[in-house]
Amino acid sequence: AAGVIQSPRHLIKEKRETATLKCYPIPRHDTVYWYQQGPGQDPQFLISFYEKMQSDKGSIPDRFSAQQFSDYHSELNMSSLELGDSALYFCASSLGPLQTQYFGPGTRLLVL
Amino acid sequence: AQTVTQSQPEMSVQEAETVTLSCTYDTSESDYYLFWYKQPPSRQMILVIRQEAYKQQNATENRFSVNFQKAAKSFSLKISDSQLGDAAMYFCAYRSPPAQGGSEKLVFGKGTKLTVNP
Repeated sequence: AAGVIQSPRHLIKEKRETATLKCYPIPRHDTVYWYQQGPGQDPQFLISFYEKMQSDKGSIPDRFSAQQFSDYHSELNMSSLELGDSALYFCASSLGPLQTQYFGPGTRLLVL
Repeated sequence: AQTVTQSQPEMSVQEAETVTLSCTYDTSESDYYLFWYKQPPSRQMILVIRQEAYKQQNATENRFSVNFQKAAKSFSLKISDSQLGDAAMYFCAYRSPPAQGGSEKLVFGKGTKLTVNP
């Protein structure tokens, strides 16, 4: 079965640079979620989209922005990167906001 | 705000034996969803099992089953006939239904690291 696709899988950036993470949901899934998991931590919710509209927002820094496109893929844009942004970023998708979230493999971001 | 507590940072089990991972949560809502996710060394988040709060019957998926005690706000995961491939970090997660004005986000516990000994 098709799963959530995230790209890139690994990313290395310098401080103050910009990064863009991409997420391609499971086919027919219209809801996308972004989570951040720091080293040794549990995942923390950042933001979600349903039918291309932002549906919920968590502890997402103002330096981060995200959107969902007409084909339901989503991008997380991160600017002015800080060392503390180094983490595993998960995208999850569901068939509607009431359904189970299925996670992608994550993008491992390292900020030097 | 809802909170999820996993009181066992680490657990170990012998291969073929049974182990139970604990999870408690705090909520004032009556309807919600609970999940167990598994995160192996690859760090992929894999859904193990899901429980709707309105269902009294405990969910079961092959060797994985839950003991859902709504009044006690407890949601433990039992793994039977443990296999080496079960070794992973296990996260308990809570989600409130958006239809009740709740958030769509998953709230995770801190996780329990399960080691399976051959």
